[in-house]
Amino acid sequence: GAGVSQSPSNKVTEKGKDVELRCDPISGHTALYWYRQSLGQGLEFLIYFQGNSAPDKSGLPSDRFSAERTGGSVSTLTIQRTQQEDSAVYLCASSFTGTSSYEQYFGPGTRLTVT
Amino acid sequence: DAKTTQPNSMESNEEEPVHLPCNHSTISGTDYIHWYRQLPSQGPEYVIHGLTSNVNNRMASLAIAEDRKSSTLILHRATLRDAAVYYCIRNAGNMLTFGGGTRLMVKP
Repeated sequence: GAGVSQSPSNKVTEKGKDVELRCDPISGHTALYWYRQSLGQGLEFLIYFQGNSAPDKSGLPSDRFSAERTGGSVSTLTIQRTQQEDSAVYLCASSFTGTSSYEQYFGPGTRLTVT
Repeated sequence: DAKTTQPNSMESNEEEPVHLPCNHSTISGTDYIHWYRQLPSQGPEYVIHGLTSNVNNRMASLAIAEDRKSSTLILHRATLRDAAVYYCIRNAGNMLTFGGGTRLMVKP
C-alpha cells in the first residue's frame, strides 16, 4: 500500500518568507509526527497529533512554527518568517496509534533551504 | 534523560553477522525499545521493536537484556545494502527521541 508522502521534496526560500510543508500519512493511521533533521544530526521531535486530541507541541522551537491536521489525515507544517537556521530536512511519520508498541513510518522528507 | 547510548560507528564484513549494542539504563517499564535505520538521503526505516522478550522478524533479531537496561540488534548476514545509521530508541508513544546512532559500514 501507499506509504507516507510529503511535498514538496525540496524547497528553497528567501529569509523572511513563509513556507508550508505537507504530509499525507498512511490511511487509517491516527498518529502523525513531525521531526526535523539538520545536516549530519539526529532527528528532533517537533509536534505530535493523535486522533482528535490536542496536539503535543512541546518540540516546536519557536512561535514561528505551527502545524495543523485537517480531518484527522493530511497535515501542514508552517514556518513563518523563515530564518537560515530553519534549513533542515523536515520529516513526517505516521503510526497506527500513538502508543509505544507501534512503529512509525516515515516519509521521504522535505529539504528546506533558507537563503 | 530519554536518550540511549550507542557506539558511534561499527564495521562489518559482508555476509557476516553484526551485533549492534545499545544501553538504555533509565528505561521505564512501559517504554518499548525500537530500532530504526537511515540510509543516506532517506527517511528513517523501522527495523524491529520489543518490550521484554527477544524478537525476530525478516530483517533482524532483537535481544533484550533481562533487566532491560541494554539491547542488541542482530543482523544475521550483513549485506552492502545494510550500510546505514542504526538508531536505538526508547518509544514513549508520543515521540521518538533519537540519539546519535551507530554508523554501520559493510566491507565487501
